[in-house]
Amino acid sequence: DTGVSQDPRHKITKRGQNVTFRCDPISEHNRLYWYRQTLGQGPEFLTYFQNEAQLEKSRLLSDRFSAERPKGSFSTLEIQRTEQGDSAMYLCASSLEGGLGSYTFGSGTRLTVV
Amino acid sequence: GQQVMQIPQYQHVQEGEDFTTYCNSSTTLSNIQWYKQRPGGHPVFLIQLVKSGEVKKQKRLTFQFGEAKKNSSLHITATQTTDVGTYFCAGPRGNYQLIWGAGTKLIIKP
Repeated sequence: DTGVSQDPRHKITKRGQNVTFRCDPISEHNRLYWYRQTLGQGPEFLTYFQNEAQLEKSRLLSDRFSAERPKGSFSTLEIQRTEQGDSAMYLCASSLEGGLGSYTFGSGTRLTVV
Repeated sequence: GQQVMQIPQYQHVQEGEDFTTYCNSSTTLSNIQWYKQRPGGHPVFLIQLVKSGEVKKQKRLTFQFGEAKKNSSLHITATQTTDVGTYFCAGPRGNYQLIWGAGTKLIIKP
């Protein structure tokens, strides 16, 4: 297991299109997080899964955003009807339940909406 | 709402000089984490502090957690080019998420 994997690394899309990102966490980590990061800022929380259950969603996550983790392993984040304001780095992280809570991040998916 | 502020936003140093970043929370934190993000990279966990007044060292890096558990600092002694990047502090918000500072970017002057 080489860590948290995210795909794709980069995505350029036209405004109004739908996009989907994938995250494969460290296999023994049952906690999975999605964060969004814009230039010059720290990551902003989007959503959290414990196994397959989505336990928390940020108010930042409009109804255009949806995330799933169907079998408690990989997760997908879909953005419908993309807007230019959605341009950001989308980071996935995982952690061990019962651990000290430190995250292992993937390399992120950089979304550019044109 | 809960906020985490980090200063300075940038720090330019000559190689070999020291670097310090400060983190202040609007609320008492149960713990604080520090991460480093290299240019073009993703955040990498450095350390977690839990106890009031805790001081931890990792080689040239010294991390402190304030007595009131509302502030923290990271000090790097004798910076090297490998230290370049943005340093973030983050604390728990609610049960499941971290709230992050905006980071301090360490820039080594040529």
